[in-house]
Amino acid sequence: NAGVTQTPKFQVLKTGQSMTLQCAQDMNHEYMSWYRQDPGMGLRLIHYSVGAGITDQGEVPNGYNVSRSTTEDFPLRLLSAAPSQTSVYFCASSYVFGRTNTEAFFGQGTRLTVV
Amino acid sequence: GDSVTQMEGPVTLSEEACLTINCTYTATGYPSLFWYVQYPGEGLQLLLKATKADDKGSNKGFEATYRKETTSFHLEKGSVQVSDSAVYFCALSKGGTSYGKLTFGQGTILTVHP
Repeated sequence: NAGVTQTPKFQVLKTGQSMTLQCAQDMNHEYMSWYRQDPGMGLRLIHYSVGAGITDQGEVPNGYNVSRSTTEDFPLRLLSAAPSQTSVYFCASSYVFGRTNTEAFFGQGTRLTVV
Repeated sequence: GDSVTQMEGPVTLSEEACLTINCTYTATGYPSLFWYVQYPGEGLQLLLKATKADDKGSNKGFEATYRKETTSFHLEKGSVQVSDSAVYFCALSKGGTSYGKLTFGQGTILTVHP
């Protein structure tokens, strides 16, 4: 099983450039999320989606766009890269069973450096 | 808003030592609680979870009990191995409109020496 696949694994951007981080899952999960991981701050939610065509902002959405045209894919777009966006980005998909039973599955991450 | 606080790290132990990583949370309602582990160069994996008060999650010798009265979910292992070296994250999730969203603690780096 592929699970959650993120591409690329590493990326260097110049300030002002734009790019798209790809995320795909093959588990037919309705819920997908993007997080960024920074030292000493854990993971913070950027955007999430509860199904195809439905997205919402998380804790740190500024400078990022998302769309969800299919259940499988949830790309994250950086509109104009800034050094503050240097981070490790993780995509996750989640199932929910019943009222409380849920589990998130994570991709391997994308290490992004903005110079 | 909801938040998760983990003990300050990093933690360095010798093999076969006992491990406790403290985790406390602030949240309304009845969140589900999780411990995720991140091995070097990899994504996060679910280690264990608990969905209601007094539940005990366990996996690979690790345990954590959901204590609503102290809003805690401390991770414990009786005898650590070198292969347990990783970053450990405590997290919570709530139902309703928050499905699929996790709130994480800052992470605790664990290093186990032979």
